[in-house]
Amino acid sequence: QAVVTQEPSLTVSPGGTVTLTCGSTTGAVTSGHYPYWIQQKPGQAPRTLIFDTSYKHSWTPARFSGSLLGGKPALTLSGAQPEDEADYYCLLSFGTTRLFGGGTKLTVL
Amino acid sequence: EVHFLESGGTLAQPGGSLRLSCAASGFILSGNGMSWVRQAPGKGLELVANSVYTGDTSYAESVKGRFTISRDESKNTLYLQMNSLRVEDTAVYYCSGHGGSSQWGQGTLVTVSS
Repeated sequence: QAVVTQEPSLTVSPGGTVTLTCGSTTGAVTSGHYPYWIQQKPGQAPRTLIFDTSYKHSWTPARFSGSLLGGKPALTLSGAQPEDEADYYCLLSFGTTRLFGGGTKLTVL
Repeated sequence: EVHFLESGGTLAQPGGSLRLSCAASGFILSGNGMSWVRQAPGKGLELVANSVYTGDTSYAESVKGRFTISRDESKNTLYLQMNSLRVEDTAVYYCSGHGGSSQWGQGTLVTVSS
């Protein structure tokens, strides 16, 4: 079974830009894995920021964007705000199976 | 607006059974994918059960043979039948839609303990 990998932690300065990535032990990730990016703040339910690689929900701040970079899904945050400090999870589909990555703890400092 | 409301979480004994419900509003379950996701205390997200729009289902290895995802489209409700519960099934359980309906509920807490 595939394992979905993410950076365990990243730090970004307020106003700065950071890119989170997501990999699969099975090889390159494509749009056919329908990548999602999910944000979770302490004590809150998760919320989906990005689905199907790059699509945003109405509540997704414009400073977040999703893409594929070098065979990996990427979540780019441009102009980080203190309220963006959270855990970010990647979710990939492998046929009918869906797997989460271990999450990236993003610190805005 | 799409909303999901989970219920059914409670304290259960090891070896026992529970059925979780996820009531959907502003959204039609029929023909849409849905998932159950859990989060153990202090841990990350784990996809427990998945039901795609074709009706096909899949399960995490840790729950295969014990948990069953199903839906009652007349009630617009998703279910998770949990049998042979283990201490390690203790978690907050969330339901979530797929794609443009990938909202999340607030979760329901399942505690498995003797």
